[in-house]
Amino acid sequence: EVQLVQSGAEVKKPGDSLKISCKASGYSFPDYWIAWVRQMPGKGLEWMGIIYPGDSDSRYSPSFQGQVTISADKSITTAYLQWSSLKASDTAMYYCARHSGMGITGTTLMYWGQGTLVTVSS
Amino acid sequence: DIQLTQSPSSVSASVGDRVTITCRASQGISSWLGWYQQKPGKAPKLLIYAASSLQSGVPSRFSGSGSGTDFTLTISSLQPEDFATYYCQQANSLPHSFGQGTKLEIK
Repeated sequence: EVQLVQSGAEVKKPGDSLKISCKASGYSFPDYWIAWVRQMPGKGLEWMGIIYPGDSDSRYSPSFQGQVTISADKSITTAYLQWSSLKASDTAMYYCARHSGMGITGTTLMYWGQGTLVTVSS
Repeated sequence: DIQLTQSPSSVSASVGDRVTITCRASQGISSWLGWYQQKPGKAPKLLIYAASSLQSGVPSRFSGSGSGTDFTLTISSLQPEDFATYYCQQANSLPHSFGQGTKLEIK
């Protein structure tokens, strides 16, 4: 059974750094792209970026390029999303999700983590 | 980047109604479109992939159609558990953008 289990909720202050995780199991972790999706309170879904754990090739939405870093550790089948300096506007739910197939084009997000709520407040 | 525009933004309907949601892409995306359902406090769930293919385990009252720039999600006979927010997402080119969502509410 494919599972993506995300790390727990975080409360941080502006300027703090943060790294949240997405632990994958039940499939060959290196072979499928994993995406990160943001959902701000009461708002829609925003695609942030993806990573191919096999070689750590990562791609970002222009809206998030330079604002976050996506990484992965094959040895522990875990993907990460990190910030070096959080802002209040980073307050949101963050989801990781696995692509349905091994490519990027044409593959949708079949498996989702439960979400990690990040709250940034002074 | 490809923009996806969903309509309507919200719709009120009754159990048993037929509902159609539209997603329009700013440029052609072949059939690389998915539809997701999201309930409050839950992660999105994939309903339809490749514009018209029903994800395993999804009830057959859900169907998708379209190609190029215009797509639809149809729920043939609304059930109480279908009241949720629906999103389209294109998988043709990066970034894999989402539509803004359509909230389906009980009339």
